[in-house]
Amino acid sequence: KQEVTQIPAALSVPEGENLVLNCSFTDSAIYNLQWFRQDPGKGLTSLLLIQSSQREQTSGRLNASLDKSSGRSTLYIAASQPGDSATYLCAPLGGNNRLAFGKGNQVVVIP
Amino acid sequence: GAGVSQSPSNKVTEKGKDVELRCDPISGHTALYWYRQSLGQGLEFLIYFQGNSAPDKSGLPSDRFSAERTGGSVSTLTIQRTQQEDSAVYLCASSPRGEAETQYFGPGTRLLVL
Repeated sequence: KQEVTQIPAALSVPEGENLVLNCSFTDSAIYNLQWFRQDPGKGLTSLLLIQSSQREQTSGRLNASLDKSSGRSTLYIAASQPGDSATYLCAPLGGNNRLAFGKGNQVVVIP
Repeated sequence: GAGVSQSPSNKVTEKGKDVELRCDPISGHTALYWYRQSLGQGLEFLIYFQGNSAPDKSGLPSDRFSAERTGGSVSTLTIQRTQQEDSAVYLCASSPRGEAETQYFGPGTRLLVL
């Protein structure tokens, strides 16, 4: 069974600082890995998808890296803003299109 | 276009009652997924549909849980004889072809069993 760990569980940073969110997973036999954002009381918003053959993916201020063999992914958010406050979820995709989720990185950006 | 929609958004029920949760996927998406997010727990996979068939039901936590999909579109998750531990947010997602692609999530149904 895929186990996903996200560190740190929670962090607070002042506005403008860069964010580094770490994800590790136990089974490297994945097809891709998605990063999601979840706001309180809301559903999930997909941020980035990295295919298993890719090393990184970028969208605006977001950059995600993937080291499949070592079971790690990192989400970088540059120049954080208060609107980036949310929980970020890492989810590798395994067999039968099953996403496995960590418990998330809860981020607060202080104005 | 419209995203994934779910209804009801909130449901309060008494222990022992049956509940039905509905998911409308993005139009044209052949793959549909149900997940559950319990308080303090991560999201867990429940079931995956490709068209009207469910190749993987292994995530359903007990035989009180069942799901169906009709017309390759709407899906219903049914929980019979609800228990307090069934209280959670039930999330539905869809994807275009059921391949290694982005899954798009709905807003969820918050279920509270008293």
